[in-house]
Amino acid sequence: GQQLNQSPQSMFIQEGEDVSMNCTSSSIFNTWLWYKQDPGEGPVLLIALYKAGELTSNGRLTAQFGITRKDSFLNISASIPSDVGIYFCAGMNYGGSQGNLIFGKGTKLSVKP
Amino acid sequence: NAGVTQTPKFQVLKTGQSMTLQCAQDMNHEYMSWYRQDPGMGLRLIHYSVGAGITDQGEVPNGYNVSRSTTEDFPLRLLSAAPSQTSVYFCASSYARGAGPNTGELFFGEGSRLTVL
Repeated sequence: GQQLNQSPQSMFIQEGEDVSMNCTSSSIFNTWLWYKQDPGEGPVLLIALYKAGELTSNGRLTAQFGITRKDSFLNISASIPSDVGIYFCAGMNYGGSQGNLIFGKGTKLSVKP
Repeated sequence: NAGVTQTPKFQVLKTGQSMTLQCAQDMNHEYMSWYRQDPGMGLRLIHYSVGAGITDQGEVPNGYNVSRSTTEDFPLRLLSAAPSQTSVYFCASSYARGAGPNTGELFFGEGSRLTVL
């Protein structure tokens, strides 16, 4: 089945730093989504992308739908302590017999000791 | 706004026991699904439903049963628990499945943490 490769698997952040993560697929999607999971909670939608090349922001977060439709990127500017958590990318193709979300394995953000 | 409610939040079972994880949503969503989350594995789809009376298998359905008798409820049943089913289980719902933009915006419950000894 389809798989998403999300990188990096984990990273440490220092307050004020910019953070980048990405997700790649062996097949195309027509929807990309980014979720964040806080400890002990369920994932919460951050940004949804529906068009190749689309660039969308949500506060300090910016995500892009790759032009090839096989990748997506998430950037966090000027990170703060509450940014720690696990970030998941998810891809979906709507229409026909498809339509379930496929998730990457997550990028875990932690604070530098 | 309750959203998606899962019960119980924590459960310990012995191998071979059965139990049901409950999931209810109050957003009149047609699509409901169950995922399991294991360390380093991300979220994997167990079963899903596109409406009352309709269910289908996801990526990892073995050992689990579901039913959808109402729009609001989507219980997940473990008939004979095994240690490999130790995991965190998430129920999620959305307006529709794959019908177009905005339908991938899943709303998740807080999770049910299951340990099978």
